[in-house]
Amino acid sequence: SQKIEQNSEALNIQEGKTATLTCNYTNYSPAYLQWYRQDPGRGPVFLLLIRENEKEKRKERLKVTFDTTLKQSLFHITASQPADSATYLCALDGGSARQLTFGSGTQLTVLP
Amino acid sequence: KAGVTQTPRYLIKTRGQQVTLSCSPISGHRSVSWYQQTPGQGLQFLFEYFSETQRNKGNFPGRFSGRQFSNSRSEMNVSTLELGDSALYLCASSLGPGTEGEKLFFGSGTQLSVL
Repeated sequence: SQKIEQNSEALNIQEGKTATLTCNYTNYSPAYLQWYRQDPGRGPVFLLLIRENEKEKRKERLKVTFDTTLKQSLFHITASQPADSATYLCALDGGSARQLTFGSGTQLTVLP
Repeated sequence: KAGVTQTPRYLIKTRGQQVTLSCSPISGHRSVSWYQQTPGQGLQFLFEYFSETQRNKGNFPGRFSGRQFSNSRSEMNVSTLELGDSALYLCASSLGPGTEGEKLFFGSGTQLSVL
């Protein structure tokens, strides 16, 4: 069956460092992968989308890579700040554009 | 541009009752999707509507239903509530089929508690 795993439930890093979050999937051939940020009590907020034919995508301090051979995506936040503290979710298309399958999320805490 | 609006924000019901949740998408967005979020199961897809038609449905019992109106506003209904239906119900809107249509814009959700 299809499965998505995010590397860890929680990740603590020091301010200014680069945070790297991992999303692995099995039994999938997604056309694209997305990353969302969720703060407590709020809905997820779209961050980046990367398609299967793209290796890397950047947006300001964010970078995402997509390796369809390894079935893995890496999400990087450079020069991290305490305001980056949140839960980050990866999501893959479930065969239909808006039927996303989400990972369980990684709770990132950036320590000042 | 206003974001996705969900009402009510919080809801408390008892087992056996039914509930209706409302979602107003971003202006110009024609697709509305619903997700259930629980600590144990995470975010799970319920269904998606586009142009008043249900296009996709997740693996939920028939007690969960929805509809979309001509102005793209959507409602979801849960009948015969069970304790396990306690969750954050999230609505997401998107442009619909085509480029950029994959990006979802979520509301803040309705926190449903079933007692």
